[in-house]
Amino acid sequence: KAGVTQTPRYLIKTRGQQVTLSCSPISGHRSVSWYQQTPGQGLQFLFEYFSETQRNKGNFPGRFSGRQFSNSRSEMNVSTLELGDSALYLCASRLTGGNEQFFGPGTRLTVL
Amino acid sequence: AQSVTQLDSQVPVFEEAPVELRCNYSSSVSVYLFWYVQYPNQGLQLLLKYLSGSTLVKGINGFEAEFNKSQTSFHLRKPSVHISDTAEYFCAVLPAGGNEKLTFGTGTRLTIIP
Repeated sequence: KAGVTQTPRYLIKTRGQQVTLSCSPISGHRSVSWYQQTPGQGLQFLFEYFSETQRNKGNFPGRFSGRQFSNSRSEMNVSTLELGDSALYLCASRLTGGNEQFFGPGTRLTVL
Repeated sequence: AQSVTQLDSQVPVFEEAPVELRCNYSSSVSVYLFWYVQYPNQGLQLLLKYLSGSTLVKGINGFEAEFNKSQTSFHLRKPSVHISDTAEYFCAVLPAGGNEKLTFGTGTRLTIIP
């Protein structure tokens, strides 16, 4: 069974631009979570989607948004990029009712 | 709310020596506990997890961890490390039984010295 995939793996943007990251969960997994990883703040929870609905949300500004499609694929969008948004963005999926999250390789976003 | 403390940000260890990475947590509800490993330029991989039952949990790559409820700890151990164990290790907690988020510690960078 294929693992969690994330595209693109690397991305370079400039301040003020917007970006969309994509995550395809493991087949059969309907829950998708997003995390931001930075050297200073560590791993921070962004949001979780389940059956196309946002179920949990972390403490990030409204510039960070997400959505989930009927096939469980998820996208996250960051508008008006700031230098501090440079990070590794990780996506994780899990089975309904499951407790283990399976992580993708991440998307490395660099904002110049 | 839950919190996780990994007091050691960096741990250098000689090859074939034992290692212990410390993790303490705080929670007002029952939790599940996890250790993840992250190799350079990769995502997180689950090493082991504690859900219930035996407090000694064995995971992949020869790692094990012991859940201590009274000390609210979940320390990770390996009796003999290898160069390939060089990575960052994260402890995490998840409230049991609900649809809550995973809370991570700040990570411990394990460096194996040849």
